[in-house]
Amino acid sequence: GAGVSQSPRYKVAKRGQDVALRCDPISGHVSLFWYQQALGQGPEFLTYFQNEAQLDKSGLPSDRFFAERPEGSVSTLKIQRTQQEDSAVYLCASSLDMTRGTEAFFGQGTRLTVV
Amino acid sequence: AQSVTQLDSQVPVFEEAPVELRCNYSSSVSVYLFWYVQYPNQGLQLLLKYLSGSTLVKGINGFEAEFNKSQTSFHLRKPSVHISDTAEYFCAVRGSGGYNKLIFGAGTRLAVHP
Repeated sequence: GAGVSQSPRYKVAKRGQDVALRCDPISGHVSLFWYQQALGQGPEFLTYFQNEAQLDKSGLPSDRFFAERPEGSVSTLKIQRTQQEDSAVYLCASSLDMTRGTEAFFGQGTRLTVV
Repeated sequence: AQSVTQLDSQVPVFEEAPVELRCNYSSSVSVYLFWYVQYPNQGLQLLLKYLSGSTLVKGINGFEAEFNKSQTSFHLRKPSVHISDTAEYFCAVRGSGGYNKLIFGAGTRLAVHP
């Protein structure tokens, strides 16, 4: 596709439910990032992949959050036993690589609401 | 580690007036600097970036920003705004060596009034 695609665009989950958010990066992009954006805030880093390797997961807020990118393309962010504080927009970004100032392209995000 | 401070959470301005959105950063290493725009229910779109060289960088939609190393600032400016510029603007920084994630400020809401 022409850009980063995320699905679903909107997700409502009952507290305690597990959710899976999908990101299709731009074809050929090596680097992939997940960010969490709470209402009225800037995006906060969650995790980073270089191809299939998860090189940085320092931003994941708890062990309920898990991300994978098994074939170095599509990535899934999974949240187990969702809590109300998990309500946010989850943004995915991809980049050709991370050398120099290579631009990161963002998807439209998945808005997760936990009720 | 890096951090970003956007000094104004909201900036109201009339159409065709000039605007400046302020951004300060802190870092112990040299950095790249970025401004992104976010329209409602959309992802982030890159406006402009500073990597090296000329401290005045020009971006899309008539925006420009000036890197000031001594003041650790990267303020965004536009000489004449349009209603369509109403959006959230984010300043971001990343270290220039190897892999480094983008660190974002909290954002500035630009509201352009007729």
